[in-house]
Amino acid sequence: ILNVEQSPQSLHVQEGDSTNFTCSFPSSNFYALHWYRWETAKSPEALFVMTLNGDEKKKGRISATLNTKEGYSYLYIKGSQPEDSATYLCAFIGNAGNMLTFGGGTRLMVKP
Amino acid sequence: GAVVSQHPSWVICKSGTSVKIECRSLDFQATTMFWYRQFPKQSLMLMATSNEGSKATYEQGVEKDKFLINHASLTLSTLTVTSAHPEDSSFYICSASATAGQSSISYYEQYFGPGTRLTVT
Repeated sequence: ILNVEQSPQSLHVQEGDSTNFTCSFPSSNFYALHWYRWETAKSPEALFVMTLNGDEKKKGRISATLNTKEGYSYLYIKGSQPEDSATYLCAFIGNAGNMLTFGGGTRLMVKP
Repeated sequence: GAVVSQHPSWVICKSGTSVKIECRSLDFQATTMFWYRQFPKQSLMLMATSNEGSKATYEQGVEKDKFLINHASLTLSTLTVTSAHPEDSSFYICSASATAGQSSISYYEQYFGPGTRLTVT
């Protein structure tokens, strides 16, 4: 069983704060790491697909980094807005195939 | 592009009945569809992987006779929970990955439906 963990489980921040959270995953047999944003009553939305050690990807105020040697990825949100409130999921894909193993998610709540 | 629909979004049924959930890729062809289940405060857990035209591959601990999966076309997969019991109450969500070569669709990226909340009374 692959161990993919996210921390913290939940996070409350004020509008305008910057925040970050962590996804840790097995450092062996790495193929890719996905980040998703999941708003209540909607489909999970893909944010990033990260494949190379040292990758840094950015989409607006959200960015992510990847360290495959030590098995972690960080997601950063700069200047959080209430519309950023969602659960952020990471998912690991190993060399064995295209199956995603999800972390438990970080639930972010941004207060206006 | 890459929209996946799921129907119904919410279903309540009596114990012993069967419930069918549909997952459709609306604007792309999905080679592979995945079915996940999420219990309260837990992560998404993969139940099974289905490829169009072949039998689904079930994860360990998932009863294939209870959770029947049919992937009859490149745009439709169904999950039937047979003889549902209260312990089957959960959130079920599907995802689809595209065949390689479709423009603007990333291979290995999974596109999710909005999920189905099943409550068995």
